Amino acid sequence: DQQVKQNSPSLSVQEGRISILNCDYTNSMFDYFLWYKKYPAEGPTFLISISSIKDKNEDGRFTVFLNKSAKHLSLHIVPSQPGDSAVYFCAARNYGGSQGNLIFGKGTKLSVKP
Amino acid sequence: KAGVTQTPRYLIKTRGQQVTLSCSPISGHRSVSWYQQTPGQGLQFLFEYFSETQRNKGNFPGRFSGRQFSNSRSEMNVSTLELGDSALYLCASSPDLGQILGAFFGQGTRLTVV
Repeated sequence: DQQVKQNSPSLSVQEGRISILNCDYTNSMFDYFLWYKKYPAEGPTFLISISSIKDKNEDGRFTVFLNKSAKHLSLHIVPSQPGDSAVYFCAARNYGGSQGNLIFGKGTKLSVKP
Repeated sequence: KAGVTQTPRYLIKTRGQQVTLSCSPISGHRSVSWYQQTPGQGLQFLFEYFSETQRNKGNFPGRFSGRQFSNSRSEMNVSTLELGDSALYLCASSPDLGQILGAFFGQGTRLTVV
């Protein structure tokens, strides 16, 4: 059973508007959550992370929100730019685990239209 | 600083054959993880190596194996290839075991099994 779910395979947003990408998880033992961005023919690149003891982390145009009671996190991109068009993966780590065994969602393809 | 290098970039093999993929981590990184990316399953963790030892293993059959050399370079091997093994195989290197934010991915090896 999938422990990390990204229920929207795709999202289309107008340039300058907010993009909200969602992720749900089932395992309450996850202690860290990360977002990765992936362009075609490239490996995923780390975007932003949040510890399970926090509810918000911000880095420039990117903010991640964590709602532990709902087992839900979201990535907000404001304002969205055409260069943000990529596949975004949500990932989680089990408490005490290592970087190697991250559990990924299936990804959401974001298209930002000029 | 050179990034994570994976070779070859593309590979076509026939069912029943075996294949070896290579990953050279970022200089100084000692942990190497492997992931399989397929359209239906997203990124799935295969295994992680640190100090030439497998530290974590995902839920894959024994046909998937790997190793790490003393210079931290890693190889993964898939024997008796099946059509379902067609995927993008990604390698990630991180400075040390358990460093959640320090991992960088390579561009991947696209394996096609015919």
